[in-house]
Amino acid sequence: GESVGLHLPTLSVQEGDNSIINCAYSNSASDYFIWYKQESGKGPQFIIDIRSNMDKRQGQRVTVLLNKTVKHLSLQIAATQPGDSAVYFCAENQYGNTGKLIFGQGTTLQVKP
Amino acid sequence: GAVVSQHPSWVICKSGTSVKIECRSLDFQATTMFWYRQFPKQSLMLMATSNEGSKATYEQGVEKDKFLINHASLTLSTLTVTSAHPEDSSFYICSARVGRVSNQPQHFGDGTRLSIL
Repeated sequence: GESVGLHLPTLSVQEGDNSIINCAYSNSASDYFIWYKQESGKGPQFIIDIRSNMDKRQGQRVTVLLNKTVKHLSLQIAATQPGDSAVYFCAENQYGNTGKLIFGQGTTLQVKP
Repeated sequence: GAVVSQHPSWVICKSGTSVKIECRSLDFQATTMFWYRQFPKQSLMLMATSNEGSKATYEQGVEKDKFLINHASLTLSTLTVTSAHPEDSSFYICSARVGRVSNQPQHFGDGTRLSIL
């Protein structure tokens, strides 16, 4: 399953399928990007990050792709599990060493058993 | 590693009360912490950047006299919502950054749900 565009807030996938969550960022000068997972009633949990000098980075079951040409970021989750159900946010560092992050609107991932 | 603890997790109080929320980095030192506010089904909005030993930097539109921030040590920042009113009810989340460079992730606490009656 794949989320299309910025304005589709919910992605529903079957357990075991791969998920792709998309995000467009706003500032071409942003140099660092992070994906967070937020479960209901909890704070965001770090998943994976990528610097602007890279276009791909892999973690355990997750891959982040960065396309600076079109200012697009995606998170791929392999073999999606029920425990992956949450809201996923992309965040970009726009302000150099201030460390301030700007968060995207978020995508809700629903995993059907 | 990089655990951030936030306390309390839930507060219900009367209008006009001041409420203090604590944010602690448990296993690292944080010269910079951040305070966010999140309304239901919305994204996180940065309120202020808390700098150890100096004044906080507030985002545009955030009242610094209403949301008092103190970062007196490398492991503790506090947010005090003064004279809270129902419109201040929200989910407040803090985060801390390991190190001083921008390309390090922020690690978040589990938030404080504030309900003002």
